[in-house]
Amino acid sequence: EAGVTQSPTHLIKTRGQQATLRCSPISGHTSVYWYQQALGLGLQFLLWYDEGEERNRGNFPPRFSGRQFPNYSSELNVNALELEDSALYLCASSLAGTLNYGYTFGSGTRLTVV
Amino acid sequence: GIQVEQSPPDLILQEGANSTLRCNFSDSVNNLQWFHQNPWGQLINLFYIPSGTKQNGRLSATTVATERYSLLYISSSQTTDSGVYFCAVSGGGSNYKLTFGKGTLLTVNP
Repeated sequence: EAGVTQSPTHLIKTRGQQATLRCSPISGHTSVYWYQQALGLGLQFLLWYDEGEERNRGNFPPRFSGRQFPNYSSELNVNALELEDSALYLCASSLAGTLNYGYTFGSGTRLTVV
Repeated sequence: GIQVEQSPPDLILQEGANSTLRCNFSDSVNNLQWFHQNPWGQLINLFYIPSGTKQNGRLSATTVATERYSLLYISSSQTTDSGVYFCAVSGGGSNYKLTFGKGTLLTVNP
């Protein structure tokens, strides 16, 4: 069974540009979660998508947005990039409504803003 | 929201030694997971353990939900065990998201 896959692995952008990160959940998982791991700030919850809808978001500005597609894959968009957006972005998936097996994370996308 | 505290923040061991990592949480939980973050950043799921005890090879974990703590035991440590260990929980009304502790940085020296 394939795990959670994320692309690209690395991304370098210039301040002010937009970044798009992608995530494919484990087959059968309908919930996708995005987390940011910035240096010194730990793992922070960004967004939760389930059945194509945004269910909740963390304390991040509106320039962090995303969507979930009918096949449950997800995209995270970061607009008007700032230097402090440089971080590892991790995606996780789970079976919605059940927590019997927990969350599985992908390998992450390392975003560098210069 | 729910608070998660891990201890110790740093731990240095010689290969072959045993260790215990602790995770305290501030509210009832319906999910507790231990992760190992490898040098490339991936979070490897070690245990899903909202309560009880589980073992997987040299690793084991115990969660005492009524007392709001969990322990991760690493026996006969190896250099490949080095990395950051995170405890993450969901509960306290926020069932949809995991709240992470700050992690324990484990260094195992040969």
